[in-house]
Amino acid sequence: AQSVTQLGSHVSVSEGALVLLRCNYSSSVPPYLFWYVQYPNQGLQLLLKYTSAATLVKGINGFEAEFKKSETSFHLTKPSAHMSDAAEYFCAVSGTGNQFYFGTGTSLTVIP
Amino acid sequence: EAGVVQSPRYKIIEKKQPVAFWCNPISGHNTLYWYLQNLGQGPELLIRYENEEAVDDSQLPKDRFSAERLKGVDSTLKIQPAELGDSAVYLCASSLGRRAEETQYFGPGTRLLVL
Repeated sequence: AQSVTQLGSHVSVSEGALVLLRCNYSSSVPPYLFWYVQYPNQGLQLLLKYTSAATLVKGINGFEAEFKKSETSFHLTKPSAHMSDAAEYFCAVSGTGNQFYFGTGTSLTVIP
Repeated sequence: EAGVVQSPRYKIIEKKQPVAFWCNPISGHNTLYWYLQNLGQGPELLIRYENEEAVDDSQLPKDRFSAERLKGVDSTLKIQPAELGDSAVYLCASSLGRRAEETQYFGPGTRLLVL
């Protein structure tokens, strides 16, 4: 069975500081992992995905994530937070038939 | 290219009333998903379609929920009768196919409030 755990339902960072959002996965097969962002009253937008190619994945808006099999992690990072990064972030793992299993989300607040 | 379109964006109804949500996926996307997103939670799959066939509806509460995808394009999700606990955001997503590495593209969702 596939699942993801997002540690920290709320994360606050200062503008210009490092953003680190944590995601750990559980999967019985090699996983495909995704990070989505959701702005208020909008749908989910793909930031990046891991599909077993390079372990360091670069996405949109300066975000990247590193797949670490030994740690079963896929943490999302951004070197310098911007006010526009304030949103809800979801990690997901895909399973049979491309069914996505989402984490409970992390709300990112950026402090000016 | 247009994204996934959903309507209405917002719906307020009284309990026991019926309600329907409509989704138009990205052109050419064979796989369509309906998700339920409760406040403060991640989306949870309700039903998945491959063309016009519902291939995974194990999480759909069939006593009150129904869905259809006529001609393998647009889809409608219905609740009858609605209950207070159905208040949530209903998201539609689509993908080209059903391979595990394929990206799902999400619509803006329909926010339902049951009074």
